[in-house]
Amino acid sequence: NAGVMQNPRHLVRRRGQEARLRCSPMKGHSHVYWYRQLPEEGLKFMVYLQKENIIDESGMPKERFSAEFPKEGPSILRIQQVVRGDSAAYFCASSPQGALNEKLFFGSGTQLSVL
Amino acid sequence: GEDVEQSLFLSVREGDSSVINCTYTDSSSTYLYWYKQEPGAGLQLLTYIFSNMDMKQDQRLTVLLNKKDKHLSLRIADTQTGDSAIYFCAETRPSGNTPLVFGKGTRLSVIA
Repeated sequence: NAGVMQNPRHLVRRRGQEARLRCSPMKGHSHVYWYRQLPEEGLKFMVYLQKENIIDESGMPKERFSAEFPKEGPSILRIQQVVRGDSAAYFCASSPQGALNEKLFFGSGTQLSVL
Repeated sequence: GEDVEQSLFLSVREGDSSVINCTYTDSSSTYLYWYKQEPGAGLQLLTYIFSNMDMKQDQRLTVLLNKKDKHLSLRIADTQTGDSAIYFCAETRPSGNTPLVFGKGTRLSVIA
């Protein structure tokens, strides 16, 4: 049973370009969470999705950031017109049922570098 | 405050015990977690404790929970160089949708 798969591991973008980060949850998991880790910071919650639904996006910046988790395929975190401050590690986690007390399983992250 | 607090750095000698401390904020948190992050890697769940417990032991790891003070600690016995990593404390917050709230992490350095 493969774990949470994120790709790419490293992504380099120039200012103004778009970044697309992918996350495939563990098999059987239908709940996906995106977290961002800035240098020397802990993980900050961004968005929680269930298949085809956004449950909680309270941690997402209001502009340029969007997320989806379609019926088929991976969850995508999309950042438009990237700026240097978007440089961070982006982690995806999944859980089977989305209960608040469920353990989350994390991927290895995507390191985004904006030049 | 709103944040989960941890000291940022801890340095110990190989073979000694390490104690990593954390204070959390939500008295209704039902689960508290310790995650480990090795360089360039994701987060690995190390252990967790349910809020009606005050201690949990798992091989070299001991978790202590003081609910009154909202204080959580992780003790690693016989610390090895392979334990060098960042350790994150995290709490659930049943009052909201956010599944886990993390501290900033404690960087453990083990000196041979």
